[in-house]
Amino acid sequence: DAGVTQSPTHLIKTRGQQVTLRCSPKSGHDTVSWYQQALGQGPQFIFQYYEEEERQRGNFPDRFSGHQFPNYSSELNVNALLLGDSALYLCASSIPTTSYEQYFGPGTRLTVT
Amino acid sequence: AQKITQTQPGMFVQEREAVTLDCTYDTSDPSYGLFWYKQPSSGEMIFLIYQGSYDQQNATEGRYSLNFQKARKSANLVISASQLGDSAMYFCAMREGSYTDKLIFGTGTRLQVFP
Repeated sequence: DAGVTQSPTHLIKTRGQQVTLRCSPKSGHDTVSWYQQALGQGPQFIFQYYEEEERQRGNFPDRFSGHQFPNYSSELNVNALLLGDSALYLCASSIPTTSYEQYFGPGTRLTVT
Repeated sequence: AQKITQTQPGMFVQEREAVTLDCTYDTSDPSYGLFWYKQPSSGEMIFLIYQGSYDQQNATEGRYSLNFQKARKSANLVISASQLGDSAMYFCAMREGSYTDKLIFGTGTRLQVFP
């Protein structure tokens, strides 16, 4: 049973560029959440997707957007990258309200230079 | 105000000893859940244990137990019989309300287990 997978593992981008990160949820899960983890900090909630719609959003600017596909996989897009966007981006999948567990992927480490 | 507070940036423990990692939380919602995650250097967040606000008994999962003191708003993680593989970052997190999966994390505690 495959867990949550994320791609790419590492990414280096230049300030002002755009980036797309991808996540495939654990089998049977239909909800995907994205978190940003800056160095030395705990993860911060970006947003959550369910039934291909953004269900909940954290305190992140509109430069952060996402998408969920019919197969429940998800993308996180960040436009106009800033140096402060450098972080580990974690994807978590779950089944809403039926289980308290969220399964996290290994993350994508984004470096903005 | 911080929703989740972890006051121990780092902890050391000898192999086979028990260790307690502290976590306090702040919420006015009567329904909430408390979580502990382990994050090795690889980056993946590994779920350890969960405690619901209405659970009467403290949660246990193998060598992990959660010391839930509701009145004090604390949810400390106890790891018994520490192993070298327990060395990692540990995060306390909270989910507020019944209809959200959003987790609010603390800043973490780095645990180092030595032989």
